[in-house]
Parts: sequence; structure tokens; C-alpha cells
Amino acid sequence: IAGITQAPTSQILAAGRRMTLRCTQDMRHNAMYWYRQDLGLGLRLIHYSNTAGTTGKGEVPDGYSVSRANTDDFPLTLASAVPSQTSVYFCASSAAFQGANYGYTFGSGTRLTVV
Amino acid sequence: EDQVTQSPEALRLQEGESSSLNCSYTVSGLRGLFWYRQDPGKGPEFLFTLYSAGEEKEKERLKATLTKKESFLHITAPKPEDSATYLCAVRGAAGNKLTFGGGTRVLVKP
Repeated sequence: IAGITQAPTSQILAAGRRMTLRCTQDMRHNAMYWYRQDLGLGLRLIHYSNTAGTTGKGEVPDGYSVSRANTDDFPLTLASAVPSQTSVYFCASSAAFQGANYGYTFGSGTRLTVV
Repeated sequence: EDQVTQSPEALRLQEGESSSLNCSYTVSGLRGLFWYRQDPGKGPEFLFTLYSAGEEKEKERLKATLTKKESFLHITAPKPEDSATYLCAVRGAAGNKLTFGGGTRVLVKP
């Protein structure tokens, strides 16, 4: 089934530890995104990639890094986790081009708790 | 900076009781307004894209409309399975990123 796969589904992480959230899509979408969703704050963009080899910062990038070595994979790394990074993380992709308007396809999310 | 505000935050409906959700937005050069449905524990699921004022789209009991400043999601004769959080988002002229509103949680009681 075409779509986005995120792993892990959930994780409890000790503060200060490093962690990578994985995201893989099989739709050959060129653009990919990482959002975090918090109660009362909605979905906020962390980082994005318009195409393989390029990345950009979103609204809340501090403490996170991404890479886009190929079209399918877009991992999100927390270098040293802090409790404020407790959230649900969603990866999304779109077949986006300049001037085109396409919606996103979302993964099922990773629920991360930093203690 | 693009901004999206959704109201109400929560809506409790009886089955069959029609209602509307509001999405107010400010954006530089609207390139699309999107509606998503999100069920608990799942990622948002795409419903509609609207591109210009006056446009309308329908899917089963849902109808989305768009003006220059806001969009409405009308739910006609809702059923309990329509219970979900409905998210509105806009794409502006600067890039492919979507800016989301806080969502409206809809609960339809039988």
C-alpha cells in the first residue's frame, strides 16, 4: 500500500539522549516535511525538504536536524532530547512543484515522551 | 506570516444536527486552502483543496466553501462516524509549506 511509514510508533526517551525518527515514503513525492503536534498549538512545521539533497527550516527547528540523501527517506534527529520535545511527530510528503497546489499525505505519527 | 484560526475549538452535535466549522486565514498569495480530517491516534487525512473565492467542494455529508478571508466546512445531517478533528491549512506564495489552524474537535452523539 502506497504511503508513508514512520518508526517507531512510540518511544520513551531519557533527556539528553540522541534519537532519530524514521520516515519513508513510496510515492516518489519530491517534497517531504516534519511537523510536531501539541495540544492547543496544532501542527507546527519543524523542517522540510523540497527535493532530495535540500532541506529548510520551518517554524520550530531548534534542537532538530534532518537530512535528505534520497527521495524516499527523511529522518529527523534529536541530538540531545529535552522534555519540551515531548510531542507527536508527523512526517508528510507532497508532489509539490512551483505553482502547483497539492495536499499532503501524512504518516501515522510517532508519539515521543522525553523524561 | 501566514495565519490560520479555526472556530469553534470543539463542537458537540446530535446525529442529524447540521452545523458549520469556520477557518479564517491571512496569507500572502493563496495557492490553496486545505481541509483535513484527523482521527485519534492517526495522521491527518486529506479531504479537500480550494483555490479561489467562490469555489465549493463536496464529499458525502461534507461541503467546503471559500471566500477571500475564510472557509467553511458544512456538515449536513452528521453521523457518529463523522466524529473527528477537522484541520484547515493554507499554502501561500512562499514555497510548498502548509500553515495549519488549531483544529475543531467534532463529536456527533447518536
